[in-house]
Amino acid sequence: GENVEQHPSTLSVQEGDSAVIKCTYSDSASNYFPWYKQELGKRPQLIIDIRSNVGEKKDQRIAVTLNKTAKHFSLHITETQPEDSAVYFCAARANSGGYQKVTFGTGTKLQVIP
Amino acid sequence: DTEVTQTPKHLVMGMTNKKSLKCEQHMGHRAMYWYKQKAKKPPELMFVYSYEKLSINESVPSRFSPECPNSSLLNLHLHALQPEDSALYLCASSQGRGSPLHFGNGTRLTVT
Repeated sequence: GENVEQHPSTLSVQEGDSAVIKCTYSDSASNYFPWYKQELGKRPQLIIDIRSNVGEKKDQRIAVTLNKTAKHFSLHITETQPEDSAVYFCAARANSGGYQKVTFGTGTKLQVIP
Repeated sequence: DTEVTQTPKHLVMGMTNKKSLKCEQHMGHRAMYWYKQKAKKPPELMFVYSYEKLSINESVPSRFSPECPNSSLLNLHLHALQPEDSALYLCASSQGRGSPLHFGNGTRLTVT
């Protein structure tokens, strides 16, 4: 089955700096890579996703890059703000018919220091 | 304002109790999921229903019993749970191939 590794497990940055979280996956059949943000006591919320036919995607201060050859993908947050503080999970998914079998990374706790 | 609604928000139950968790979505999604999340860990997939049929059971103990009465509802029946089953139980739905998971706010379960 799929195995997703995520680093670092914790990350502290000063407000305004950039944050980068990296993930690797094992199953070459995985073709969809979402990123979820989970604030304390709340549900995971999708913040950005990328498909395997795209190398990079950007949405305002958030960007994701994908290297299919190396099976790496990364989340980049620029101009960080205190409200970016949360746990971030990367995930990988291979098509499974009408549903999704998503494998999550172990999570990165991001702290943005004002 | 979540589109996937879970009830109850909190549940405390003894090891001999029987209780049920409920999940509802009205987005027309045909796949629904139960995840278990322990503190500081990622969500772990338990069950997947696709078109109201159980498609994945990730070797979950029989004290957890899922049910999908229709395309909008998903239940998780709990019986004879153990304290280590205490966790946040998340329901999710998706349109199917190529669409993201939409999570509910979860039920925080405590087994005493």
